[in-house]
Amino acid sequence: SQQGEEDPQALSIQEGENATMNCSYKTSINNLQWYRQNSGRGLVHLILIRSNEREKHSGRLRVTLDTSKKSSSLLITASRAADTASYFCATDALGSGSARQLTFGSGTQLTVLP
Amino acid sequence: DGGITQSPKYLFRKEGQNVTLSCEQNLNHDAMYWYRQDPGQGLRLIYYSQIVNDFQKGDIAEGYSVSREKKESFPLTVTSAQKNPTAFYLCASSIRGQGNYGYTFGSGTRLTVV
Repeated sequence: SQQGEEDPQALSIQEGENATMNCSYKTSINNLQWYRQNSGRGLVHLILIRSNEREKHSGRLRVTLDTSKKSSSLLITASRAADTASYFCATDALGSGSARQLTFGSGTQLTVLP
Repeated sequence: DGGITQSPKYLFRKEGQNVTLSCEQNLNHDAMYWYRQDPGQGLRLIYYSQIVNDFQKGDIAEGYSVSREKKESFPLTVTSAQKNPTAFYLCASSIRGQGNYGYTFGSGTRLTVV
């Protein structure tokens, strides 16, 4: 079952602009993670935010988490053509114990135009 | 360098054949996972394994089988019972029981039925 749903499904911006992607989920979580996938490749882990955190930064990435609204956002600042990829959120559900498994959303396709 | 290796990169299967996708990791991760990705879609969990000689069904296990005889290896067999196997298959690994770490993914195997 896919718990995370990204919005928008596709986003096209000019180089230098900021890109914001949103993720909504349904159940309580331990953490939420964002991944990037270049076309035809595997996923690369970008950033993880724990359920007791509200905001986290990593380079040009900023992630926020609102557990009351069950939503997260990923902001990429000063975008570059090389940021063109699909971005997925993934949730680590609370209560899964040692049998942890991530549930992925359907992704946002980001295109950065030079 | 540590990582996950999936092979082959491309695989063609005739109707009624079983095929096996390889996944090997040298990260010393206990947990390994198989996901299926269809065009424009997110990832769906097929099987996962938290320790050697143990594995669990994911959301779409029908028509697939796995084994975990070694910590480093988690091969996936797509059987003839899988009616629509054409997809992109991704293997991942993680530290077991450590929910606050991301997954490491392989580069994927694209399976096509001919």
